[in-house]
Amino acid sequence: GENVEQHPSTLSVQEGDSAVIKCTYSDSASNYFPWYKQELGKRPQLIIDIRSNVGEKKDQRIAVTLNKTAKHFSLHITETQPEDSAVYFCAARTHAGGTSYGKLTFGQGTILTVHP
Amino acid sequence: DTEVTQTPKHLVMGMTNKKSLKCEQHMGHRAMYWYKQKAKKPPELMFVYSYEKLSINESVPSRFSPECPNSSLLNLHLHALQPEDSALYLCASSQGLADAYEQYFGPGTRLTVT
Repeated sequence: GENVEQHPSTLSVQEGDSAVIKCTYSDSASNYFPWYKQELGKRPQLIIDIRSNVGEKKDQRIAVTLNKTAKHFSLHITETQPEDSAVYFCAARTHAGGTSYGKLTFGQGTILTVHP
Repeated sequence: DTEVTQTPKHLVMGMTNKKSLKCEQHMGHRAMYWYKQKAKKPPELMFVYSYEKLSINESVPSRFSPECPNSSLLNLHLHALQPEDSALYLCASSQGLADAYEQYFGPGTRLTVT
């Protein structure tokens, strides 16, 4: 099955700095890679995703890059703000053709702290 | 309406109790999921329903019993739970099971088993 590794487990930055979180996956058939942000006591919230036919996607201060050859993808947050502090989870989903189901496999999470 | 709702928000139950968690979505999604999440850990998949039929059971103990009464509702019936079952239980939905459909999570039910 798929295995997703996420680094670092904790990340502390100053407000205004950039933050980068990296994930690697094992199943070359995985083709969908979402990122979730989870604030303390709240639901995981989808913040950005990327599909395997795209190398990079950007949404305001957040960007995700995908290297299919190396099987890794990264989340980049620029101009970080204290409200970006949360746990971030990457995930990978294997192609689900026909009636099969592609399970969403999560990384272990990164606790991001943005200091004012 | 782009929201998944869950009730109750918090639940405390004894090991001999029977309780149910409820999940509802009105996005017309045909796939619904139950996840269990321990503190600072990723969500762990428990069950998947597609078109109101159970598609996936991730080897979950029988003390957890899912039910999908209709396309908008998903229940999780709890019976004879153990203290280690205390966790945040998340419901999620997606348009379908096919690849690359986004999953949207509900706010979760914080369950404590005493």
